[in-house]
Amino acid sequence: EVQLVESGGGLVKPGGSLRLSCAASGFTFSSYSMNWVRQAPGKGLEWVSSISSSSSYIYYADSVKGRFTISRDNAKNSLYLQMNSLRAEDTAVYYCARVYIAARCFDYWGQGTLVTVSS
Amino acid sequence: QSVLTQPPSVSGAPGQRVTISCTGSSSNIGAGYDVHWYQQLPGTAPKLLIYGNSNRPSGVPDRFSGSKSGTSASLAITGLQAEDEADYYCQSYDSSLSGPHVVFGGGTKLTVL
Repeated sequence: EVQLVESGGGLVKPGGSLRLSCAASGFTFSSYSMNWVRQAPGKGLEWVSSISSSSSYIYYADSVKGRFTISRDNAKNSLYLQMNSLRAEDTAVYYCARVYIAARCFDYWGQGTLVTVSS
Repeated sequence: QSVLTQPPSVSGAPGQRVTISCTGSSSNIGAGYDVHWYQQLPGTAPKLLIYGNSNRPSGVPDRFSGSKSGTSASLAITGLQAEDEADYYCQSYDSSLSGPHVVFGGGTKLTVL
């Protein structure tokens, strides 16, 4: 069974940093591109970042470029999101999602981890 | 403001048919990128509902169907049931100077009357 479990969320002050993790199991993690998608309270889905299976290709939304860094450790079946210079508008539930390569959609999602940026 | 435009809300009575539109442009849906649909039940993570414009993952009832034409796509739900009450999101890709990137619609809240 495919499982994605996020962790690392919490309360952080504006300008602070946080590192999110996503532990994957039930599939060959090293064969799949992965993404982070966030959802602000009461709002819609917003794509944040993507990383290819071998980390060769990395993309970011303009809203986080230069502040967030996506990475992965295929030996540990883990995906990460390092978030620096956090702003109030980064407050959201952050989901990791697996890419179904054949269709370039997200076929499995984690349960999400809440990041709250507030003083 | 989302790149893909969806109606904020739709509603229907049990047993009825509803459709949710997803309107894009020549840089995303009109450029040939596929459209995918997700269902998000209250308090849960999104779930893939339709992929590749009109394909259903295993386990998704055939009451759900998708289509795409030109710069728009639609999700249709027939035989509406109470458990269909959820938020629905379309997703595609959009061309940019830095390469294609994921875009979502703003979401549509379906209310079953």
